[in-house]
Amino acid sequence: EAGVVQSPRYKIIEKKQPVAFWCNPISGHNTLYWYRQNLGQGPELLIRYENEEAVDDSQLPKDRFSAERLKGVDSTLKIQPAELGDSAVYLCASSLVVAGNTGELFFGEGSRLTVL
Amino acid sequence: AQRVTQPEKLLSVFKGAPVELKCNYSYSGSPELFWYVQYSRQRLQLLLRHISRESIKGFTADLNKGETSFHLKKPFAQEEDSAMYYCALSPVGSEKLVFGKGTKLTVNP
Repeated sequence: EAGVVQSPRYKIIEKKQPVAFWCNPISGHNTLYWYRQNLGQGPELLIRYENEEAVDDSQLPKDRFSAERLKGVDSTLKIQPAELGDSAVYLCASSLVVAGNTGELFFGEGSRLTVL
Repeated sequence: AQRVTQPEKLLSVFKGAPVELKCNYSYSGSPELFWYVQYSRQRLQLLLRHISRESIKGFTADLNKGETSFHLKKPFAQEEDSAMYYCALSPVGSEKLVFGKGTKLTVNP
């Protein structure tokens, strides 16, 4: 089992350009999370999916960020247009949630975005 | 709103010394508390959770509701314990996980 797979691992773009990140969760995990981690900070939740439904996107900057989880498996996170402050590591995690309680989150290696 | 505070950004100890990483939380209900760890060049992973009440790699953590704390302790630190440690909180019945800013532990030889 490869675990949670994310791509690309690194991305360098100029401001105002679009960027997309992809995540493949662990097979069978019903819940998928996108977190953003700024340098020296802990992960901050952007959006959480239960199957294909976004159940918590209150922290997602909807003017420039979008996400989707088609068929309740893979997910993509898009930023358009990117700003300098978007430079961060974008972490994807998945878990098997049972009876509404948080299970162990399994994280991917992250996608490090640098906006110039 | 839920909040997790890790007051120490950096913590340095010598091998064999006891170590305690502090975590305080702010939440009005009954939370579930976790410690996640990230070793160098590895992904973030679960170390332990309070409901399991188990010791992982010699680490233990006790939930103190009176002091709203969940400090991580190990009696004898090892060099391989050097890593970033994140305390995290989830309200009971919620799948939301809120992280602290993390503490970088360095265990010197």
